[in-house]
Amino acid sequence: EDQVTQSPEALRLQEGESSSLNCSYTVSGLRGLFWYRQDPGKGPEFLFTLYSAGEEKEKERLKATLTKKESFLHITAPKPEDSATYLCAALRTGGFKTIFGAGTRLFVKA
Amino acid sequence: DAGVIQSPRHEVTEMGQEVTLRCKPISGHNSLFWYRQTMMRGLELLIYFNNNVPIDDSGMPEDRFSAKMPNASFSTLKIQPSEPRDSAVYFCASRSGTSGYEQYFGPGTRLTVT
Repeated sequence: EDQVTQSPEALRLQEGESSSLNCSYTVSGLRGLFWYRQDPGKGPEFLFTLYSAGEEKEKERLKATLTKKESFLHITAPKPEDSATYLCAALRTGGFKTIFGAGTRLFVKA
Repeated sequence: DAGVIQSPRHEVTEMGQEVTLRCKPISGHNSLFWYRQTMMRGLELLIYFNNNVPIDDSGMPEDRFSAKMPNASFSTLKIQPSEPRDSAVYFCASRSGTSGYEQYFGPGTRLTVT
């Protein structure tokens, strides 16, 4: 069964304290691994798609990486405005259903 | 680009009433998804449309839920009769059939059934 597991459930950082969020996936043939950001009261906002192991994508203080079983979202020198829930999701080749993880709630304190 | 549009943003209704949620996908996108999000269960896929045709509705909780997509720019999710356990945030998302597999979400409808 396709599955996506995120850890930790919650992460509290000081401003400027870099860290990583983990996403473990079990998917038969990965078509794409996605990262989304969700702010309270809003819909998930698309950040990145990764297609194959070794691929990396960056946007401002965020960098997403992919291996054959995991993806990491690295946050460098975070700011309070990076506080949000980060969702990881996976889509299997030949499938239509994107499997979402439960998310990591990130809190960045000034 | 206006993004995915949902209405209403908030809905409060009494148990037993009919509720209709509306969605306008991004122009040119040919796939549409309805999700429900709760703290306990996270994001759950309810139904998926491709080119206006329902492809999979296995996530629809029960017969009280129905969804339609009469054309490429409009979809509805109806709950009749509504129950308190239907209280959640309902999201609509759309996806392009030609450029990438990521989904773009609307702002959601927060439904409260009392």
